[in-house]
Amino acid sequence: QSVLTQPPSASGTPGQRVTISCSGSSSNIGSNTVNWYQQLPGTAPKLLIYSNNQRPSGVPDRFSGSKSGTSASLAISGLQSEDEADYYCAAWDDSLNGPWFGTGTKVTVL
Amino acid sequence: QVQLVESGGGLVKPGGSLRLSCAASGFTFSDYYMSWIRQAPGKGLEWVSYISSSGSTIYYADSVKGRFTISRDNAKNSLYLQMNSLRAEDTAVYYCARSLKYSGSYYSQYWGQGTLVTVSS
Repeated sequence: QSVLTQPPSASGTPGQRVTISCSGSSSNIGSNTVNWYQQLPGTAPKLLIYSNNQRPSGVPDRFSGSKSGTSASLAISGLQSEDEADYYCAAWDDSLNGPWFGTGTKVTVL
Repeated sequence: QVQLVESGGGLVKPGGSLRLSCAASGFTFSDYYMSWIRQAPGKGLEWVSYISSSGSTIYYADSVKGRFTISRDNAKNSLYLQMNSLRAEDTAVYYCARSLKYSGSYYSQYWGQGTLVTVSS
C-alpha cells in the first residue's frame, strides 16, 4: 500500500482543465517536495513536475503543480488527447526514510 | 543524450536468482544517484532500491530487503540489481533511472525502457 493517495481516475473533454489530487501526511508531503510523473500507455514513466511546481525542459506549460499542507495537485489545462496517460505523484517520506509513489491516476480524454 | 538500457530480465522459477544490468551513457555516471523502480503488470510504480553516486548510501524497499542487492561500477557506467529468492510477487517490469537526491526531495529525471522479470514455475 502507498502512503500517498490519488483518485483512481479522472477525465475531461479536449480543452478542459483537469486536476489530480495527491494526499499524504506530515512525514511526506507535509515536509518534503512533491514530484509528478506521466506514463503514456506502454512506455516508461517521464518526469513531469519536480519540486512541487517546476517543469523540466520540454514539458508544456499546460501542466502545473502545487502543494498545500499535506496535499498536492497536478493540473492539466487545455486537455489534449495525447495527455491520456497514468499520472503518479511521488515524495520522500521521513518516517519510512525513502521515496514513495502515489497510487496513480488514469486520465481519460473523452 | 542520456541513455539507460536495462538487460537481464527473463523467466525464473520461484526461489531462483536473476541479475539485472543497466548500461548508462550520455552523462557522467559517477555524478548521480541511480534507482531501480518496478511496475507489476497492471499495477502502480514501486521504488525498489537506490544507490548514491559513490555507492556509500543504499536504500531498499521493505519488500525486497535481504533478497535484493544493488551495486554500481562507475568505471563501466553500469548499475546492477542482484535478485535472489525471487517470488511470484516480484514479477514486474524493472526500470533503471537516473536520480537526484537533496534535502526533502528524491526524483528520477531519466528512465530506461525497462526489462521484464517473470517469476513463475
